[in-house]
Amino acid sequence: GQNIDQPTEMTATEGAIVQINCTYQTSGFNGLFWYQQHAGEAPTFLSYNVLDGLEEKGRFSSFLSRSKGYSYLLLKELQLKDSASYVCAVRGLTTDSWGKLQFGAGTQVVVTP
Amino acid sequence: EAGVAQSPRYKIIEKRQSVAFWCNPISGHATLYWYQQILGQGPKLLIQFQNNGVVDDSQLPKDRFSAERLKGVDSTLKIQPAKLEDSAVYLCASSPGGGAAKTQYFGPGTRLLVL
Repeated sequence: GQNIDQPTEMTATEGAIVQINCTYQTSGFNGLFWYQQHAGEAPTFLSYNVLDGLEEKGRFSSFLSRSKGYSYLLLKELQLKDSASYVCAVRGLTTDSWGKLQFGAGTQVVVTP
Repeated sequence: EAGVAQSPRYKIIEKRQSVAFWCNPISGHATLYWYQQILGQGPKLLIQFQNNGVVDDSQLPKDRFSAERLKGVDSTLKIQPAKLEDSAVYLCASSPGGGAAKTQYFGPGTRLLVL
């Protein structure tokens, strides 16, 4: 099985940087995903890491260390619209090609003016 | 391209009643997922289809939940009878499937309230 831990809530100021950590324990690993979920809406895909290192995509970056079972999502130049829940999800290593995602509970980021 | 469609968007029922949700995935996506998301938690996979076959239904409460994808496209999820603890958002997602599938695309969800 998989255990995924991330902080419940973080608050930051507009224009600042916030780092959301995610730790996981899994019997097999086949990729880590970050999703953004605004209140009352469906999750939308932000990033995907399967190898160690940093993936950068505009204001958002995601880092993975497989040996440490650790990832973070970095949000730069925060905007008010970035207030949302950020959910870490791990894909297990299954016998088929379409590995199941296990989701964390999400980190609620509140961006204040 | 059109996204994942779900209906209804909202449903209120009384406990012990039945309810059904419908999902139309992105065209060409072979893999379809149903998730349950309880308030304050991440989505939990209920069932995964590959075309019209079930890949994983290990977390589906089969005494009351059922799902089908008869023609390998649309899918329905049914709860019969509903319990208070079934109040949640039911999300449908799809992906192209195969090793190249890097993400799942989610529909807007159906918000169920059981009274």
